[in-house]
Amino acid sequence: EDQVTQSPEALRLQEGESSSLNCSYTVSGLRGLFWYRQDPGKGPEFLFTLYSAGEEKEKERLKATLTKKESFLHITAPKPEDSATYLCAVQARYNTDKLIFGTGTRLQVFP
Amino acid sequence: KAGVTQTPRYLIKTRGQQVTLSCSPISGHRSVSWYQQTPGQGLQFLFEYFSETQRNKGNFPGRFSGRQFSNSRSEMNVSTLELGDSALYLCASSLGPENQPQHFGDGTRLSIL
Repeated sequence: EDQVTQSPEALRLQEGESSSLNCSYTVSGLRGLFWYRQDPGKGPEFLFTLYSAGEEKEKERLKATLTKKESFLHITAPKPEDSATYLCAVQARYNTDKLIFGTGTRLQVFP
Repeated sequence: KAGVTQTPRYLIKTRGQQVTLSCSPISGHRSVSWYQQTPGQGLQFLFEYFSETQRNKGNFPGRFSGRQFSNSRSEMNVSTLELGDSALYLCASSLGPENQPQHFGDGTRLSIL
């Protein structure tokens, strides 16, 4: 069964303290892996798409990487405004209509 | 460019009632997907519509249904509401079924009393 597991569930960082979020996946043929950011009371906001192992994408303080079994979201020198829940989702080759989501990592960055 | 619009933002219903939620996709997007988000289960796929046809359905009971109109707007309906249906219902749109990423609205918060 296709599934996505994210760790840790929650992460507290001091401003400037870099860290990584993990997304492990099991899917029968990966078409794409997606990272979203969700703020309280809002819908998920798209961050990155990764398609193949070895691919990397960057946006400001965030960098996403992909291997054949997992993806990492690296946060460099985070700021309080980076506080949010980060969601990982996969799209399978055989079923492109839907995304399978992990339960997210809740990140809090303190000044 | 306007994003995905969902109405209403909040709803309070009682058990046994039914409810209809609305979603207007991003202009030009023809695929609309619905998800249920709860603290314990995260985002769970409900169904996906393209060209007014349901292409895929998640593992939810038949009380959950939806439809899409010719202008790509979509509605979902939940009949005979149960306490466990309390959740954030999210709509996402994309250019087509295989065109990612999906872009999400801010959801409808449904509370069942």
